[in-house]
Amino acid sequence: NAGVTQTPKFRVLKTGQSMTLLCAQDMNHEYMYWYRQDPGMGLRLIHYSVGEGTTAKGEVPDGYNVSRLKKQNFLLGLESAAPSQTSVYFCASRITGNAFAYEQYFGPGTRLTVT
Amino acid sequence: RKEVEQDPGPFNVPEGATVAFNCTYSNSASQSFFWYRQDCRKEPKLLMSVYSSGNEDGRFTAQLNRASQYISLLIRDSKLSDSATYLCVVRSGGSYIPTFGRGTSLIVHP
Repeated sequence: NAGVTQTPKFRVLKTGQSMTLLCAQDMNHEYMYWYRQDPGMGLRLIHYSVGEGTTAKGEVPDGYNVSRLKKQNFLLGLESAAPSQTSVYFCASRITGNAFAYEQYFGPGTRLTVT
Repeated sequence: RKEVEQDPGPFNVPEGATVAFNCTYSNSASQSFFWYRQDCRKEPKLLMSVYSSGNEDGRFTAQLNRASQYISLLIRDSKLSDSATYLCVVRSGGSYIPTFGRGTSLIVHP
């Protein structure tokens, strides 16, 4: 099992460019999440999905779009990158289940710099 | 008031010391509690779940105090390898979304 993988690991964009971050999991998890992590801010939820074909907004969704066309993949898009989107992006997934079946498995992160 | 609050630290302790962190939460409907560990420039990983009766895993002990709405993490006999940021995570019943604290930094020195 590869667990949760993220592509790419690093990227530098110019302001206004677009890109898509790919998250893939091979654990058959229903729920998937995109977070960003900035110094001193902790993890902030961007968007999440509770199943194939569904998405919902998190705490900081502006400037991002997502899609979950296949259960194992969750894509995060930046249509017009801004320097404020410079961050480390983490994807996570988990199974459905009871309160303690709640371990989120995180990918290794994508380090994005927007100049 | 933030939903989940942690002292950011850093807690700077010598090897072999015992150190404890607390995490307070504001939502009394919270049902699930966890401690995650995050190494520098790495992803968070589950350290332990926190059960109502408390739980222990080797040198690590987690406790829940519902009356005062906080959870704690105790680390005994600290190792250099324990140096990391410890994230408190709380989830309310029926919610898909956990709430992360901003983390407490621990530095264990020789």
